[in-house]
Amino acid sequence: GQQVMQIPQYQHVQEGEDFTTYCNSSTTLSNIQWYKQRPGGHPVFLIQLVKSGEVKKQKRLTFQFGEAKKNSSLHITATQTTDVGTYFCAGWRIKAAGNKLTFGGGTRVLVKP
Amino acid sequence: DADVTQTPRNRITKTGKRIMLECSQTKGHDRMYWYRQDPGLGLRLIYYSFDVKDINKGEISDGYSVSRQAQAKFSLSLESAIPNQTALYFCATSVSGANVLTFGAGSRLTVL
Repeated sequence: GQQVMQIPQYQHVQEGEDFTTYCNSSTTLSNIQWYKQRPGGHPVFLIQLVKSGEVKKQKRLTFQFGEAKKNSSLHITATQTTDVGTYFCAGWRIKAAGNKLTFGGGTRVLVKP
Repeated sequence: DADVTQTPRNRITKTGKRIMLECSQTKGHDRMYWYRQDPGLGLRLIYYSFDVKDINKGEISDGYSVSRQAQAKFSLSLESAIPNQTALYFCATSVSGANVLTFGAGSRLTVL
């Protein structure tokens, strides 16, 4: 079945530094979504990427969808303590029966002040 | 009030007990989902429903059942709870065509 892998599983970042988390699918995706879950909270939708090679920015967050629509990345610049949480990617597979999302395992981000 | 409400928020139970987790939504979405979260495993789909008469198994449906009582209500049952069902459970909704999930606050279940 479809698998979505995220690396790294954990990311310790010094406040002010940049980092990138990666998402890889075993199959071609229709689109990919990113969610953020704050500690003790629930996942909250951040963004959806649909087109091959698409790049979208939200303030210090840059999201990219790969040319082959099998991978994605989230880059955060000048990390702040408010960036703490777990970031999940989730992919919709082309022609998938049931039309449902498959989530990656998440990257848990810890920020050192 | 929350758009997607889950009850109970926390529950401790014993092996073999029947447990029901309830989810209600005021978003008017037609699609509802139950996910399970375990550390390092992300969110895994248990069951989903695209309308009141539609129920579908997800990737980890064994040991669970669901009921879509109304468009706004979707409940998850564990007929005979076992310890490895200890997890954080999330209900989510979406509207057909948009595919973006709105999650409830979660129900933390501990099976002793």
